Amino acid sequence: KAGVTQTPRYLIKTRGQQVTLSCSPISGHRSVSWYQQTPGQGLQFLFEYFSETQRNKGNFPGRFSGRQFSNSRSEMNVSTLELGDSALYLCASSPGGGVDTQYFGPGTRLTVL
Amino acid sequence: GENVEQHPSTLSVQEGDSAVIKCTYSDSASNYFPWYKQELGKRPQLIIDIRSNVGEKKDQRIAVTLNKTAKHFSLHITETQPEDSAVYFCAASIRTGNQFYFGTGTSLTVIP
Repeated sequence: KAGVTQTPRYLIKTRGQQVTLSCSPISGHRSVSWYQQTPGQGLQFLFEYFSETQRNKGNFPGRFSGRQFSNSRSEMNVSTLELGDSALYLCASSPGGGVDTQYFGPGTRLTVL
Repeated sequence: GENVEQHPSTLSVQEGDSAVIKCTYSDSASNYFPWYKQELGKRPQLIIDIRSNVGEKKDQRIAVTLNKTAKHFSLHITETQPEDSAVYFCAASIRTGNQFYFGTGTSLTVIP
């Protein structure tokens, strides 16, 4: 099976702009989680979607939002970008249901200037 | 919420020696503990995992132990090789769904 894919791989934005990132899970996987990875904070959980519904949410401001489509593909949106939003954004997919092994995508490197 | 602490943050070992990375968690309801390896510029890759009903699991040179009473789990790598050099993350998950709490990572360097 093809692995988790993310687009775009790199993004440069300026403060105040908004950005949308995309994640395509492994075929058959229904759960998609998003993480923010920074050198100082490690991997921090943003949210998880399962069957088009947000099932879990981390402690990030409302500027971070997401959605999932019927084919399990997911998008993450960040509005009113701040310098501190510069990070590697990783998505991970898993079959869903219970607590499953997660498989990560290559990430989107977002730089906010 | 859950809090996962990971130590050490950096670790250097000679090739052939063993490496041990330790994590503690705070929520006794956590029931799944994966370990990920992330090489520079690459995605995290699952290397081993353990569930709360098991005390130890081994896969070739890699093993994980879990002490539910003390709420800590450890990764053991034996006969280390230069290709083991990477950042290793532990994680814990509770409840339904996939909400994982990650440790801050251990940068392992294996010196040839």
